[in-house]
Parts: sequence; C-alpha cells; structure tokens
Amino acid sequence: DARVTQTPRHKVTEMGQEVTMRCQPILGHNTVFWYRQTMMQGLELLAYFRNRAPLDDSGMPKDRFSAEMPDATLATLKIQPSEPRDSAVYFCASGSSQMTGPAFFGQGTRLTVV
Amino acid sequence: RKEVEQDPGPFNVPEGATVAFNCTYSNSASQSFFWYRQDCRKEPKLLMSVYSSGNEDGRFTAQLNRASQYISLLIRDSKLSDSATYLCVVTPSGYSTLTFGKGTMLLVSP
Repeated sequence: DARVTQTPRHKVTEMGQEVTMRCQPILGHNTVFWYRQTMMQGLELLAYFRNRAPLDDSGMPKDRFSAEMPDATLATLKIQPSEPRDSAVYFCASGSSQMTGPAFFGQGTRLTVV
Repeated sequence: RKEVEQDPGPFNVPEGATVAFNCTYSNSASQSFFWYRQDCRKEPKLLMSVYSSGNEDGRFTAQLNRASQYISLLIRDSKLSDSATYLCVVTPSGYSTLTFGKGTMLLVSP
C-alpha cells in the first residue's frame, strides 16, 4: 500500500532549537508539497518541489525555514531557530507528474515548541 | 476575497439525512477541483475529484459550476462515519499546487 511517510510523528522542543522533519514521498511521485496546519490558518502551503527542484517557497519564512530534497526519496523541512509560533502540524504530500492531479498526504508531524 | 471559501459549519444532521456543502473560488482560470476529507487529528484524504460534467461516487455527488465559480458536495443517506471536516481544494491555472479551503465540519448524529 503506497503511502507518504513522515518522521517524526510528534516533536516537542524548546524555543531556539533546530527541528528537522523528514518525508518519503510515494515511489514514482515527482511532486512534493510541505503544508502547515493550524486551527486559525487552516492548511498553508510552505513549499513545493517538482523533480527535486524547488518551484515555490513563497509561503515559507525564509529567515528560519528551509526545505530541500537531497534525493527523490527524501524531502526535509528544517526550522532553525524554532519559535513557539511554529507549533503546528506539518504535512508532506506527494503527487504524480500530472500537472493538475491530486496530492496524497503523510500522517504529519505534530510540532510543539515550548 | 479569499482564494477558496467554505462555510466552516458545523453542519449537524441526523443519520440518513442528505447534506450539501458549497465552496467558492476566486480564480476563474482554476483547472482542477477536489474534495478532501479530514478526520480529527488525521491527515487530509482525497475523497473525490470534481469534473465539469459532475460525478458521483456511491452516496457522494460532486458538481462544478464554472460560471458561478463554485463547487458542491452532496452526501446522501449520511452515516455516523461521515462525521469529519470536508476540504475544498482548487488548483490554480498554470500551477500544480493545491489551494485548500478551511473546511466545513459535518457532525452526523444517531
């Protein structure tokens, strides 16, 4: 059963610490999205990649967030330094090469910054 | 105007009822439309794509009205297990990103 895998599932960290979230997209999918979800804002797009190249990261605070795809099976989202306002659920999703197809989500990383 | 707007609800309906949600979008050139379902503390899951001609999947029917820029989801014979948040999703023209509405909460009671 193909699925997007995210690690860790939960993370509690202190303000100022670095946080790294990882995502393994569905095999064969070449589009990867990072979304953040909070009660107030809903699902917000942070960044997305196609064929490992970043196409849009305008939703991401550049001073502390970074997203990369070291290879086709791994996407990472880093926050350094983390702040309490970063507390949210971070979802990774992947899609096929079809321009307008749906995306399939991982189970998310629930981040709490104290 | 927000890119994708939904009534947050909640919609409280009894089992067996028919319920409908609407969603409006601002970009008239949007290309693709989807409904996702999200259970509490879970990830969004694709419920169905929405096609121009309308489409049905069991108890679920989706419609697209490009002239008025809205899509709808109709659920017939509601089940307790239909309780969830339903997210309207639009793909803007020229991009492959997905823009999500904030969702409509449905609560089905016995």
